[in-house]
Amino acid sequence: DVVLTQSPLSLPVTLGQPASISCRASESLVSSDGGIYLNWFQQRPGQSPRRLIYKVSNWDSGVPDRFSGSGSGTDFTLKISRVEAEDVGVYYCMQSTHWPYTFGQGTKLEIK
Amino acid sequence: QVQLVQSGAEVKKPGSSVKVSCRASGGTFNPYTVTWVRQAPGQGLEWMGRIIPMYGTTKYAQKFQARFTITADASTNTVTMELSGLTFEDTALYYCARIHYSSSVDDWGQGTLVTVSS
Repeated sequence: DVVLTQSPLSLPVTLGQPASISCRASESLVSSDGGIYLNWFQQRPGQSPRRLIYKVSNWDSGVPDRFSGSGSGTDFTLKISRVEAEDVGVYYCMQSTHWPYTFGQGTKLEIK
Repeated sequence: QVQLVQSGAEVKKPGSSVKVSCRASGGTFNPYTVTWVRQAPGQGLEWMGRIIPMYGTTKYAQKFQARFTITADASTNTVTMELSGLTFEDTALYYCARIHYSSSVDDWGQGTLVTVSS
C-alpha cells in the first residue's frame, strides 16, 4: 500500500499568518492516465471531512482561494495563505491513484 | 445539492455483524463512486472500500476484504455496508461519501457510530 507521510503533525499558527503542510508518498502518484490523484481533506472538530483540493491543485466548490495545493510525483504541499479561525481542524492528504486508496496521518492545525 | 443520510448508531457484540446504510437525498449517487471511510476514536481516517452504484462494482482494502461488503439499491438510492466478525477495534465512526476524483464532487454523510462492546 502507498504510505503517505504528513508533516508536521501539529501546526500552531497565528491568525492571519500562512501555513504549510507537506505530504510525501512512498511511491509516485502519477497514474497510468498521466493524472496525479492527490487530494486534501479538512475535518473541523465534530464534523464530517470535506475535500478542499483534488488532483493536486484543483479547488472543490466553495473552497476559499486562500487554500492552494501543489506538488508532483511524490511530494505535495497544502498552503493556507492567511489562516482564519474557521481553519482549525485536522488536514489529511489522500491518494486515489493506487489501490487501496490511503490517507496520511493527519495534521492538526490550531491557533496560537 | 445531494445530501447523504446515514442510519443511526449501533451497539454490537464481538463476533457479530453490522449494517450501515447511506441514502442519497435530493439526487442520486450516479454516476459517481460511494466510498466508506472509518475513524476510530481520536484517530485518523481509514479508507475501507468503494462501490460504483451504477455498475455494482466494488473495491475493498485488503485489510477488510474477507469481512466487508458494500451493496447498492438503485430503487431506494441507498448504499449499504456490512462488516462482519466485529472486534473491539472496529469501534469507530463510519462515513459514506460520494466522491469523484477528477471533478468537484464531494458529499459526505453525517457519520454512524458503531460501538463494539461485550
